[in-house]
Formats: sequence, structure tokens, C-alpha cells
Amino acid sequence: EVQLVESGGGLVKPGGSLRLSCAASGFTFSSYSMNWVRQAPGKGLEWVSSISSSSSYIYYADSVKGRFTISRDNAKNSLYLQMNSLRAEDTAVYYCARERNPVCSGGSCYFLDYWGQGTLVTVSS
Amino acid sequence: EIVLTQSPGTLSLSPGERATLSCRASQSVSSSYLAWYQQKPGQAPRLLIYGASSRATGIPDRFSGSGSGTDFTLTISRLEPEDFAVYYCQQYGSSPRGLTFGGGTKVEIK
Repeated sequence: EVQLVESGGGLVKPGGSLRLSCAASGFTFSSYSMNWVRQAPGKGLEWVSSISSSSSYIYYADSVKGRFTISRDNAKNSLYLQMNSLRAEDTAVYYCARERNPVCSGGSCYFLDYWGQGTLVTVSS
Repeated sequence: EIVLTQSPGTLSLSPGERATLSCRASQSVSSSYLAWYQQKPGQAPRLLIYGASSRATGIPDRFSGSGSGTDFTLTISRLEPEDFAVYYCQQYGSSPRGLTFGGGTKVEIK
């Protein structure tokens, strides 16, 4: 059974830092790209970052570029998100999610097939 | 950057009724990059549809997706009590790279 378990959330002051972790099990972690998606309280989903299976390709949303760093440790089946210079608007539940890119009619599909339950990050003084 | 606009914001229907949710893109999107998710309160999103029209594993056939170009639709043929939730469409962009989600449609019990 695929499982993704996030940890590391909590209350942090503006300007502070936090490191989120996502422990993966039930699949060959090193074969999949992974993503972080966040959801502010009462709001919709916002993609944050993605990392390819071997960490060769990394992408960020403009809203976090230069402040957040995504990484992974395939030996530990773990995904990370280092968040620096945190702002009030970073307050959200952060989800890690597995990316899939199977061949579909018309090209490669692109979606997130498994999600963790999320970890809450609150940025407040 | 492609923007996804979902409508209506809220859909009030009764169990057994048909739900039609719209997702409109600001420019043409490859159908293979369009997905739909369901989210219930306090839960993580769940993949329903990928490639605009392919159901994910374990998703009942009352859920169907269609569309192409800039207009995509998620249809729930007959609403079950467990289908009342928020639904999001998602597309993958190659420039800039990354995912974009629509603002969501809440399907509530009338």
C-alpha cells in the first residue's frame, strides 16, 4: 500500500525557517518524481515544487522561488522541503504527492496519484 | 502562465441528480495534462480523472471527464451522498514548468 506521511509542520515566526519531511513507503520511491502542494486555510490548492526521481530536475512556483528548497534522499525514501524567510501567506497545509507520467493518447499524462494527509505550517508572530 | 477557471463556484444538487462541473483554461491545454481531484473536508485530495477522460483506479463509472482545448468538463451522472465535496481541475504547464489548479467547485447538498 502506498503511504506518504508528512511531518515537521508547526508554528513559526515571520522570517523563520522550517523543514518539512515526507516519508514514503509501499512503492519504489527512487523511481518517481515527487511534489509539494499547499492549501491555505479555506482556500484552494497551490502547487509549490517538484523534484525528479534522481533530483536532476527541480521546479518551484514563483511564490516560493529563492526561499524554499526541495530535496530528496532515495536511500531513506524521504522527500524534504526546506522553507526559509517564511511569511504569513505561507500559512497552509503542505501535502507531498507522488507524480505520475504514463503514456496517454496524445502524449504523456501528468498528474498526482497519491497524496499524504498533510502537515500544517502556521506563520505568525 | 495558464489560468484555470472553474464554474460554478458552488453547485447545490440533490442525491441522484446529475452534476456538471466546468474547467476553462486561459489558453489551449493538452488533454493529456488535464486532471480532476476530489477533496472532502479534512482530507487530502483524491485523483479522479487524468488525461481529461481516464478514470483513476477504483473510481466509480458515474464519474466521467471530457473536453479538449480550453474547455473541460467533469460529470457525475448520479450523485451519491459521498460525492458531496470540492472538485479541482489541474493542468501541467511546460513554460513555466509546474502544475496549476483551478479554484475549485463545491458540490453541496440542496
